[in-house]
Amino acid sequence: DTGVSQDPRHKITKRGQNVTFRCDPISEHNRLYWYRQTLGQGPEFLTYFQNEAQLEKSRLLSDRFSAERPKGSFSTLEIQRTEQGDSAMYLCASRLQGGPKNIQYFGAGTRLSVL
Amino acid sequence: KQEVTQIPAALSVPEGENLVLNCSFTDSAIYNLQWFRQDPGKGLTSLLLIQSSQREQTSGRLNASLDKSSGRSTLYIAASQPGDSATYLCAVEETSGSRLTFGEGTQLTVNP
Repeated sequence: DTGVSQDPRHKITKRGQNVTFRCDPISEHNRLYWYRQTLGQGPEFLTYFQNEAQLEKSRLLSDRFSAERPKGSFSTLEIQRTEQGDSAMYLCASRLQGGPKNIQYFGAGTRLSVL
Repeated sequence: KQEVTQIPAALSVPEGENLVLNCSFTDSAIYNLQWFRQDPGKGLTSLLLIQSSQREQTSGRLNASLDKSSGRSTLYIAASQPGDSATYLCAVEETSGSRLTFGEGTQLTVNP
């Protein structure tokens, strides 16, 4: 059990560029969640997957955001045409729904800075 | 829509003091409530999880209580230490496996 892994840890980009983040969940975890956290605030839910199916999307997830989990293992979060307001920490979590420890385990996050 | 509020937003105490962090939520139909710790620039570490049928959970110097009917939870930290300095977040889960709704956190500083 190596924990939830997120890559990269930091990303600096210019406004208008596209960025993609990756999350590798704990092995065998069937649910994967994305959250966004701005400075001084608690995390806000973006979306989550059960295996490869995207079950829920927040209205925070605008058309410029897309998330995938193609084989039910790792997930990617892409932001197109980044804006300064996208600057935040993007957190990924996974869980084994129905397992003995039915809680979300969080990764260290990807910090995005849009200049 | 579930809303979670934490009071105070920031707290500074001398080492050794006992302290209480507060969390309130607007919809009492929750599945569980969780307290997390977050160090600057880092991810979240789960501290305590209270199922909706439980009243409290304890781990070491930490004790969390839940009063579902009034929509409140408290996190009690005994004999605080400088290493306890961090942001503490509470989060509610409304149904099993659903998203977490977080409060804005309490930033705790324990001074030596």
